Amino acid sequence: QKEVEQDPGPLSVPEGAIVSLNCTYSNSAFQYFMWYRQYSRKGPELLMYTYSSGNKEDGRFTAQVDKSSKYISLFIRDSQPSDSATYLCAMGSLYNQGGKLIFGQGTELSVKP
Amino acid sequence: NAGVMQNPRHLVRRRGQEARLRCSPMKGHSHVYWYRQLPEEGLKFMVYLQKENIIDESGMPKERFSAEFPKEGPSILRIQQVVRGDSAAYFCASSPRGQGGMVEFFGPGTRLTVL
Repeated sequence: QKEVEQDPGPLSVPEGAIVSLNCTYSNSAFQYFMWYRQYSRKGPELLMYTYSSGNKEDGRFTAQVDKSSKYISLFIRDSQPSDSATYLCAMGSLYNQGGKLIFGQGTELSVKP
Repeated sequence: NAGVMQNPRHLVRRRGQEARLRCSPMKGHSHVYWYRQLPEEGLKFMVYLQKENIIDESGMPKERFSAEFPKEGPSILRIQQVVRGDSAAYFCASSPRGQGGMVEFFGPGTRLTVL
């Protein structure tokens, strides 16, 4: 079993739709949870960063962490064609794994105009 | 404030040659991480370095791969005697640590092609 599982998609939605992206994980030591966006042939760009459980909102993006279920989500409201990219969840722990992040496989999202 | 810089952006090597990938972290960041991304796969951790120290190299292949982050200059990921399976995108990330924990900012990557 992988430490972090993410549905690779691809996911195709119409412009304006609400998008839900999810990851599950097995290591209860993870404390930091991130979502990165990666456009084709570019480096990952940090979108959201959450420490421990809870919700965090930034514009059209909302990140949720449920540590009891080992489940994290990213919601995108009013999706735009410019949101078309691969979304990567990532997580880490200062205590068990030093500075490294464990990434999901990435979900490819396409928002159609 | 310039972001993480990597060069070259594209590198082509023949089997058996050496590849050197360079990474300059963001200003004020003293922690550098290298990740590898194979086609259709997520990023895989390779190594975590601070200035003049390797902190965690648990993701580095045991042979042919090495990394350094000297007191002066960029971090270097070195691959000796490259093979076709080394073809991938190699990303460097940096972190301030102590200013937001483990937030890592990524560079644009070096795409290595081994012929």
